[in-house]
Amino acid sequence: ETGVTQSPTHLIKTRGQQVTLRCSSQSGHNTVSWYQQALGQGPQFIFQYYREEENGRGNFPPRFSGLQFPNYSSELNVNALELDDSALYLCASSVVGPITDTQYFGPGTRLTVL
Amino acid sequence: QQQVKQSPQSLIVQKGGISIINCAYENTAFDYFPWYQQFPGKGPALLIAIRPDVSEKKEGRFTISFNKSAKQFSLHIMDSQPGDSATYFCAATLEGYQKVTFGTGTKLQVIP
Repeated sequence: ETGVTQSPTHLIKTRGQQVTLRCSSQSGHNTVSWYQQALGQGPQFIFQYYREEENGRGNFPPRFSGLQFPNYSSELNVNALELDDSALYLCASSVVGPITDTQYFGPGTRLTVL
Repeated sequence: QQQVKQSPQSLIVQKGGISIINCAYENTAFDYFPWYQQFPGKGPALLIAIRPDVSEKKEGRFTISFNKSAKQFSLHIMDSQPGDSATYFCAATLEGYQKVTFGTGTKLQVIP
């Protein structure tokens, strides 16, 4: 186990609703990244937070937003849910340092949009 | 430019055999190349990783071979076991920016 936890495990929403997913980083890690993994595909980078500020964003619309808190936990918010948002949402934590280091992934939240 | 191409899409190997998964990248700014193993319903777990100044790295039954000039790298799983059956992702990370770009995945099945 990586020490990265996510909640909830599963979630079912309907189109147009809003959802908040939560992530608790591994102890000592100051950076959190969020990824979307559609069925049968590799994870796609949504955005990353470092010291409570967004530190890069992938090709996702503004209705995907996030927060990082002083204790380095994080939230992913998705507004106006669409059917294509159905996926496994993964968070990963790491330590920003002088060299690139490993990201450790949580177990994910399975979101189903009906 | 950010792509990481991975092959094969699926692989069936006999127990005790060698599993080989290949990846190629385009962006020479990538400076860290991890491999992740993912079981159904779980998040990806780091398996082994390499930096471009090294041509090979071995950890137990897992070996990464890295060819910087060809912009290719591969994962070899020696003495493959049924417990190795999972989806494997190669990945690459941009220098100073921790976005991980994943390959498309290889579903490995090791049969007894």
